Amino acid sequence: KNQVEQSPQSLIILEGKNCTLQCNYTVSPFSNLRWYKQDTGRGPVSLTIMTFSENTKSNGRYTATLDADTKQSSLHITASQLSDSASYICVVRSATNFGNEKLTFGTGTRLTIIP
Amino acid sequence: GAVVSQHPSRVICKSGTSVKIECRSLDFQATTMFWYRQFPKQSLMLMATSNEGSKATYEQGVEKDKFLINHASLTLSTLTVTSAHPEDSSFYICSARDFAGSYNEQFFGPGTRLTVL
Repeated sequence: KNQVEQSPQSLIILEGKNCTLQCNYTVSPFSNLRWYKQDTGRGPVSLTIMTFSENTKSNGRYTATLDADTKQSSLHITASQLSDSASYICVVRSATNFGNEKLTFGTGTRLTIIP
Repeated sequence: GAVVSQHPSRVICKSGTSVKIECRSLDFQATTMFWYRQFPKQSLMLMATSNEGSKATYEQGVEKDKFLINHASLTLSTLTVTSAHPEDSSFYICSARDFAGSYNEQFFGPGTRLTVL
């Protein structure tokens, strides 16, 4: 069964500090992995996307890593801002050569930035 | 990036009534759209996959007669919650797939908060 697990479930940090969110997955066949930011009451917004051959990808203060061997990914946020308070969801896409695709969602990490 | 809109953003209705939610891809054509629901503090759960011009494919456990999906054009899919009950109260999110994009990516709408009294 395809699964995506995220840790921690929730995290509270001071504004300006860095943090790292973790994602472990068992999804096959693997196509790509995305990190999304979801503000309360809003739809998810894509932060990064990584394919099998990519180890690191940055988007401003967000840096995602992927280890396809251990099936782990992380999202590092530097110099956190109050606006970073949101849920961060790890989503793994699987796809077969027949075009069937499925997204497996993690349960998310709820990040709260305090002043 | 591609933009997906949903309307309405919030709806409150009485038990037994039907509610229609629209999902539009604003700047791209989406042959496939997806409908999700999300309960508080939980992740998105796929309800159904909507293909333009054909019947939707529902996930196991989702009642197709309860959640009617119509994907009549390449930019519009609708979800109708029929005879809504309080347990249908949830956050409904649609996504649309942009086949023309580099990653064949799904873009998510902003969601619709449904409250059934």
